[in-house]
Amino acid sequence: EVQLVESGGGLVQPGGSLRLSCAASGFTFSSYGMNWVRQAPGKGLEWVSYIGSRITTIYYADSVKGRFTISRDNAKNSLYLQMNSLRADDTAVYYCARLPTTDFDYWGQGTLVTVSS
Amino acid sequence: NFMLTQPHSVSESPGKTVTISCTGSSGSIASNYVQWYQQRPGSAPTTVIYDDNQRPSGVPDRFSGSIDSSSNSASLTISGLKTEDEADYYCQSYDSGNWVFGGGTKLTVL
Repeated sequence: EVQLVESGGGLVQPGGSLRLSCAASGFTFSSYGMNWVRQAPGKGLEWVSYIGSRITTIYYADSVKGRFTISRDNAKNSLYLQMNSLRADDTAVYYCARLPTTDFDYWGQGTLVTVSS
Repeated sequence: NFMLTQPHSVSESPGKTVTISCTGSSGSIASNYVQWYQQRPGSAPTTVIYDDNQRPSGVPDRFSGSIDSSSNSASLTISGLKTEDEADYYCQSYDSGNWVFGGGTKLTVL
């Protein structure tokens, strides 16, 4: 059974940093592109970042470029998102999602990041 | 930047058919596949349609997707509405290193 479990969310002050993790199981993690997608409270879905299976391809949404860094450790079946210079509008539930080809076919349960003083 | 526009909300009665539209801002929506996700409150999204009109296993055939190039839009049609279909629905596509979601449509079945 495919499972994606996010962790690392919490309350952080504006300008602060946080590192999210996503533990994957039930599939060959190193064969899949992975993503972070976020959802602000009461709002819609927003794609944040993509990393290819071999780490050679990385993309970011303009809203996080230069502040967030996506990475993965295929040996540990884990996906990460390092978030720096956090702002109030980064407050959201952050989901990791698998991308086999065109659709995000499996999602984690999400981890809440709250940026507030 | 490429954007997808959806109606904010739609409502229909049980047993009826509803169609949710998703309009591309520029270019051709047919250039990249469109996906549709269902999200119930407190849960992660799940795919109901991928590659414009394909249903994942387990999704009932009451759900169907289509593309209309003349209006640069995609549509999700749900027939034989059930109360359990009440949820938020998002369209999604891809454009030049960006994965784009529509703003979401709240479907009320009453």
